[in-house]
Amino acid sequence: QKEVEQDPGPLSVPEGAIVSLNCTYSNSAFQYFMWYRQYSRKGPELLMYTYSSGNKEDGRFTAQVDKSSKYISLFIRDSQPSDSATYLCAMTSGGYNKLIFGAGTRLAVHP
Amino acid sequence: GAGVSQSPSNKVTEKGKDVELRCDPISGHTALYWYRQSLGQGLEFLIYFQGNSAPDKSGLPSDRFSAERTGGSVSTLTIQRTQQEDSAVYLCASSSGPTDTQYFGPGTRLTVL
Repeated sequence: QKEVEQDPGPLSVPEGAIVSLNCTYSNSAFQYFMWYRQYSRKGPELLMYTYSSGNKEDGRFTAQVDKSSKYISLFIRDSQPSDSATYLCAMTSGGYNKLIFGAGTRLAVHP
Repeated sequence: GAGVSQSPSNKVTEKGKDVELRCDPISGHTALYWYRQSLGQGLEFLIYFQGNSAPDKSGLPSDRFSAERTGGSVSTLTIQRTQQEDSAVYLCASSSGPTDTQYFGPGTRLTVL
């Protein structure tokens, strides 16, 4: 079993929809949780960063962490075609950022 | 300012050949990471450099893989006697410190025929 599980999709939604992306993990030592966005043929870029449990909001994006369930989510409100990309969750136990990534979910937002 | 750069952007090689992949981190960043992204897979950690400390090589999949970082800046990932299963995108990232945000390069797409 992988340490981090993420549904690869693809997920196709109409413009304006609310998108929910999720990851589950097995290592209870993980404390830092990240979401990266990766456009085709590009490197990943950090979108959201959360420490421990709770919610964090940044514009149209909300990250949630539930450590008791070992479950993290990324919500995208009012999705736009420019949000079409692969979204990767990543996490680490700290010390240094040896990140453990999910497989990534491919999202397509169509006009 | 300039981001992380990698070269070449694409590399096609024959099975059994050696390849070298280069990473130029963001100037002043002391931490440097190599990851591998296979088709449909997430990023797999390969190796981590921090300053002048001994690198963490725990993610290297076999002894055919090696990496060095000269002068605390540029890094080279070398794959000897390449195999078809080595085909992947090799991504480099750097950060200003060991717990800081990692900035990724565009990757090198390696195809082993």
